Amino acid sequence: GAVVSQHPSRVICKSGTSVKIECRSLDFQATTMFWYRQFPKKSLMLMATSNEGSKATYEQGVEKDKFLINHASLTLSTLTVTSAHPEDSSFYICSAREAYQETQYFGPGTRLLVL
Amino acid sequence: AQSVSQHNHHVILSEAASLELGCNYSYGGTVNLFWYVQYPGQHLQLLLKYFSGDPLVKGIKGFEAEFIKSKFSFNLRKPSVQWSDTAEYFCAVKRRNSGNTPLVFGKGTRLSVIA
Repeated sequence: GAVVSQHPSRVICKSGTSVKIECRSLDFQATTMFWYRQFPKKSLMLMATSNEGSKATYEQGVEKDKFLINHASLTLSTLTVTSAHPEDSSFYICSAREAYQETQYFGPGTRLLVL
Repeated sequence: AQSVSQHNHHVILSEAASLELGCNYSYGGTVNLFWYVQYPGQHLQLLLKYFSGDPLVKGIKGFEAEFIKSKFSFNLRKPSVQWSDTAEYFCAVKRRNSGNTPLVFGKGTRLSVIA
């Protein structure tokens, strides 16, 4: 099956710093990537959808200036949490889909802890 | 807008018991349906999917799901669970051929299998 990787798997940072999370599709070209946030014992909350070479589409309530998403190539998307605060601590998961395919494949997630 | 309901928040079963997890969706059009599993500390993995054809779909690890169009349901079943099936299970739906629209997830059902 298709493989999606994320880096780093875990990051701890100080409040006010920015953190970049990378999401890569390893064996397919991901024309569309999705970023989710998962709270403890809760479902996945979609943050944004990004298409390669285009601006991301953010879900209602998600600050686009805080969560910067770049999808510059067919195998890489990045999520940058700018000026992170403790309330941004969460599990961030990316997902990727190939063109004209319906199945989404998920990365292993990145646990962010902001002190 | 589509929505997905998973009625059971937490299910506790003994090993060898049979499992059925409910999933209902609300959308009048044609949909693709998915079940994902998230084992403790791991990423979401695709268990099975239904796009068309035989409404009884078989997935990995002995799981199956049945699409009942009249009931807008896609329940997940396994005849005999094992301790290793302890995980969080997510039902998801996507409008068929809707381009870049993301999966819509249910809130998840936590399955705990006890010896």
